[in-house]
Amino acid sequence: DAKTTQPNSMESNEEEPVHLPCNHSTISGTDYIHWYRQLPSQGPEYVIHGLTSNVNNRMASLAIAEDRKSSTLILHRATLRDAAVYYCILVGGSQGNLIFGKGTKLSVKP
Amino acid sequence: DGGITQSPKYLFRKEGQNVTLSCEQNLNHDAMYWYRQDPGQGLRLIYYSQIVNDFQKGDIAEGYSVSREKKESFPLTVTSAQKNPTAFYLCASMGNMNTEAFFGQGTRLTVV
Repeated sequence: DAKTTQPNSMESNEEEPVHLPCNHSTISGTDYIHWYRQLPSQGPEYVIHGLTSNVNNRMASLAIAEDRKSSTLILHRATLRDAAVYYCILVGGSQGNLIFGKGTKLSVKP
Repeated sequence: DGGITQSPKYLFRKEGQNVTLSCEQNLNHDAMYWYRQDPGQGLRLIYYSQIVNDFQKGDIAEGYSVSREKKESFPLTVTSAQKNPTAFYLCASMGNMNTEAFFGQGTRLTVV
């Protein structure tokens, strides 16, 4: 079973910030929080990942709660190309499984 | 350029035939994964391998088989025992937990 919980869908207006939440209350101390996004009929694309501290890269920011039981992916200015399904997954343990949940479908309105 | 390649992109087979999907990576990654995705659904893990000559079943391994004879290759065979094989299949690889996973572009299998 997926170890993360995300809203099924979210909407945003173009050029506005988007905050995509993820709950992972059973996270262990060695689990990394990864985010990927997927366009229709394509393989998922890496967005960002982190362990404890907030992270920034050219695509997005990742805000991790102090207790690590939740995180938020932040797209600073949504574009039409950001419309996709966003997956938050925990990667860790001795097996390093990549277990996906159902993700959040983000729609961006012009 | 380093990456992960799945082939073919589209595959058609008759019911009752086994079919093998290819996945090759030149990223020197130890871990490789196979997923199945049905329309409007998320990715479900079929098999994964953390090291050469070893692999583990995922959530939906029934009707599928894999091998990992080389680090670069992780082929998936969809057997005739898989009752509903028509789906989009994705392969992934990852170096370690603190690096990104790379995904292939997928193989869309249609069984008629």
